[in-house]
Amino acid sequence: AQRVTQPEKLLSVFKGAPVELKCNYSYSGSPELFWYVQYSRQRLQLLLRHISRESIKGFTADLNKGETSFHLKKPFAQEEDSAMYYCALRAETSYDKVIFGPGTSLSVIP
Amino acid sequence: DTGVSQDPRHKITKRGQNVTFRCDPISEHNRLYWYRQTLGQGPEFLTYFQNEAQLEKSRLLSDRFSAERPKGSFSTLEIQRTEQGDSAMYLCASNGEGLHGAEAFFGQGTRLTVV
Repeated sequence: AQRVTQPEKLLSVFKGAPVELKCNYSYSGSPELFWYVQYSRQRLQLLLRHISRESIKGFTADLNKGETSFHLKKPFAQEEDSAMYYCALRAETSYDKVIFGPGTSLSVIP
Repeated sequence: DTGVSQDPRHKITKRGQNVTFRCDPISEHNRLYWYRQTLGQGPEFLTYFQNEAQLEKSRLLSDRFSAERPKGSFSTLEIQRTEQGDSAMYLCASNGEGLHGAEAFFGQGTRLTVV
């Protein structure tokens, strides 16, 4: 079965400090991984996806198939990064259903 | 706002009543998804439409739940005989590609409270 875990419900960092939001997944095939973000009072939106290999708002994430992880990183946290972050997976056999993790609430302290 | 819109934004209903939610996807998107989100959890997949065809349903979608997308545009999600456990945020999303890597655009959700 496909599953996404995010071990931290809450993460607090100081402004300017590095951030790492952890994500692990369970899937035997080749998944497609995403990070979605939800800012306060806004809708859920895509932050980045592993196949794009982009850096969005300073965030990057590398898919590590050996460790089945897709951790989200940013070298210097900003106050505007405070939000709810969801790691998500789409299995190669189901191009349409995206499975979300429980989410991590990031708080950046000024 | 030309994104995905959902109506109503909030719904309070008594246990046992029926409720219906509406989702209007981005106009050129042929794929539409419903998710449910409870406190402290990520969105859980409920069902998926490609145009008017409902192609996948989760085990979470009991017989009391039904979703339609009659003309391949807007969609409705109906819950019959609501229970307190149905209280959640119901999210709709759409995208226009069936290919690997398409981005799903989410609505702001309908928050259902069953009292």
